[in-house]
Amino acid sequence: IAGITQAPTSQILAAGRRMTLRCTQDMRHNAMYWYRQDLGLGLRLIHYSNTAGTTGKGEVPDGYSVSRANTDDFPLTLASAVPSQTSVYFCASAPSGSYNEQFFGPGTRLTVL
Amino acid sequence: GQNIDQPTEMTATEGAIVQINCTYQTSGFNGLFWYQQHAGEAPTFLSYNVLDGLEEKGRFSSFLSRSKGYSYLLLKELQMKDSASYLCAAMDSNYQLIWGAGTKLIIKP
Repeated sequence: IAGITQAPTSQILAAGRRMTLRCTQDMRHNAMYWYRQDLGLGLRLIHYSNTAGTTGKGEVPDGYSVSRANTDDFPLTLASAVPSQTSVYFCASAPSGSYNEQFFGPGTRLTVL
Repeated sequence: GQNIDQPTEMTATEGAIVQINCTYQTSGFNGLFWYQQHAGEAPTFLSYNVLDGLEEKGRFSSFLSRSKGYSYLLLKELQMKDSASYLCAAMDSNYQLIWGAGTKLIIKP
């Protein structure tokens, strides 16, 4: 693994289904983030984690949950997907939660029908 | 509220110079970031300013005025590969990034 990876690359999902988007980084970064990007809008923060074992809510957390059991992994779960969750999801990491550039994964394109 | 404003789209000619402006309003301020995002790809870091003034990095420069809540990204000697969206983001007092919607830059030969 080099940098930050996300899986799957894309997914079509029926409404009401549960889905977990995976994110893994090998840079030993403390901070990790989940964003969604929608046309005409800026990146919006869903959840973040400043260090393993802690998580926090961002701007648009409803309908999403995260966990941070270790430094490397930061999965995002949609408990019961709805069409408004159709978006491109980016995971990012940074050495710490301040003053540092964030490194982004390649993204997951999710379509909820 | 927190807000970032930048133009939706700009067009420029190969070899020319273009300036992309960004104004911000945040709860506290811990710096201004610029990212580049090619279509279908992830954002990549370009620059970070926390003090007033100009930071130059090759063909790209970024300027910040904290008193005016204003930044710009200057791209010189434009190349076709510079066609992309440019994202402005301000870091608030909680060290969270507040993102603009991005400026789509179209380069014409």
